[in-house]
Amino acid sequence: ETGVTQTPRHLVMGMTNKKSLKCEQHLGHNAMYWYKQSAKKPLELMFVYSLEERVENNSVPSRFSPECPNSSHLFLHLHTLQPEDSALYLCASSQDRARQGNIQYFGAGTRLSVL
Amino acid sequence: QKEVEQNSGPLSVPEGAIASLNCTYSDRGSQSFFWYRQYSGKSPELIMSIYSNGDKEDGRFTAQLNKASQYVSLLIRDSQPSDSATYLCAVGGTGGYNKLIFGAGTRLAVHP
Repeated sequence: ETGVTQTPRHLVMGMTNKKSLKCEQHLGHNAMYWYKQSAKKPLELMFVYSLEERVENNSVPSRFSPECPNSSHLFLHLHTLQPEDSALYLCASSQDRARQGNIQYFGAGTRLSVL
Repeated sequence: QKEVEQNSGPLSVPEGAIASLNCTYSDRGSQSFFWYRQYSGKSPELIMSIYSNGDKEDGRFTAQLNKASQYVSLLIRDSQPSDSATYLCAVGGTGGYNKLIFGAGTRLAVHP
């Protein structure tokens, strides 16, 4: 248990559905991240929020829409996804702008399948 | 050119042997380096962090960093079957906020 909780753990959705992934961290951190992990590829950073402000949008398609209402919660809203979006979506948090702050703690992930 | 490179493996070692995992990176300004372990279907778990040149030991794990050569490694002594996993090298990016660049990972298989 790392203190980062993701729900749901598994999600199957059709291409026309709208769904949301949720992440909550209980570590008192001020930065949160969304990553995509596809088979045999490096983790791909999607979005970074620091102090609730989005500081990176890594050329992610607009069908992925992040939301960070406060420093403990992060959402990823999904709509009109494609089958190639099927992957493990990981949330992470860290204490930003500190020497030891680069350590990111990951949630268990959401396994997404797009049919 | 990939920013963080790792040999994908699999690296196969017998139980009790030393497993040696290697990683190179391209950004000379990087100051923080991490090794994460990821079991199949699970999330990455931090096992080592290193910030200065030299060796850092924690139990059976030793991380080695050489910034001049842009090289970081992880040694696992007395390897156990439970060490079988994918090991991800992550390098702290330079810039105004905390960012990690991950390698694709090396799969380690420890056989009895």
